[in-house]
Amino acid sequence: DVKVTQSSRYLVKRTGEKVFLECVQDMDHENMFWYRQDPGLGLRLIYFSYDVKMKEKGDIPEGYSVSREKKERFSLILESASTNQTSMYLCASSHLDTGATFYQETQYFGPGTRLLVL
Amino acid sequence: ILNVEQSPQSLHVQEGDSTNFTCSFPSSNFYALHWYRWETAKSPEALFVMTLNGDEKKKGRISATLNTKEGYSYLYIKGSQPEDSATYLCASDGVPGNQFYFGTGTSLTVIP
Repeated sequence: DVKVTQSSRYLVKRTGEKVFLECVQDMDHENMFWYRQDPGLGLRLIYFSYDVKMKEKGDIPEGYSVSREKKERFSLILESASTNQTSMYLCASSHLDTGATFYQETQYFGPGTRLLVL
Repeated sequence: ILNVEQSPQSLHVQEGDSTNFTCSFPSSNFYALHWYRWETAKSPEALFVMTLNGDEKKKGRISATLNTKEGYSYLYIKGSQPEDSATYLCASDGVPGNQFYFGTGTSLTVIP
């Protein structure tokens, strides 16, 4: 059973604070992702990573950074939290088949962190 | 960015009713279509991955079909039960190995 865990289920922070959201997966997946989910907007990709120390911007990277020092761990960092970053944050991981099809398999999700920035 | 749309946005059905909802995606640049079920306070759970036109997948009372030529997928639930209450998400990845693009989801409530 794939397990993706996130460090907190609920988090309350103040504007301007630096916030770390941690994600750990136990299936040796190459790919890891950070999404945010807001009502009426669906899941939007913030950043993803194909490998240790690799990172790629998603659709909404502004105001965020990431760190992947170990294969199993992917951190999302809010350098200076703002109220418009209040949201549900979801981490996911997947295996990348680098054979002929270069196919990304199903993404497995963590339970989410609901962040409130006051 | 791929535009993936789901309809309806929400749905209320009586226990025992059958229901279906739609996921639309660009038919060009299609690689795979993924369906997820997301229950409140839980992780989104993968239901199906479909890649070929005409694909049909089934898991218990839930099934899905895929039409890549016209760019849509249907999810069917037969004899809905209260435990089917969840948000159902679809996602398309237009390029193999690249990111998924999610729809906004269909929120299903099954009334006992």
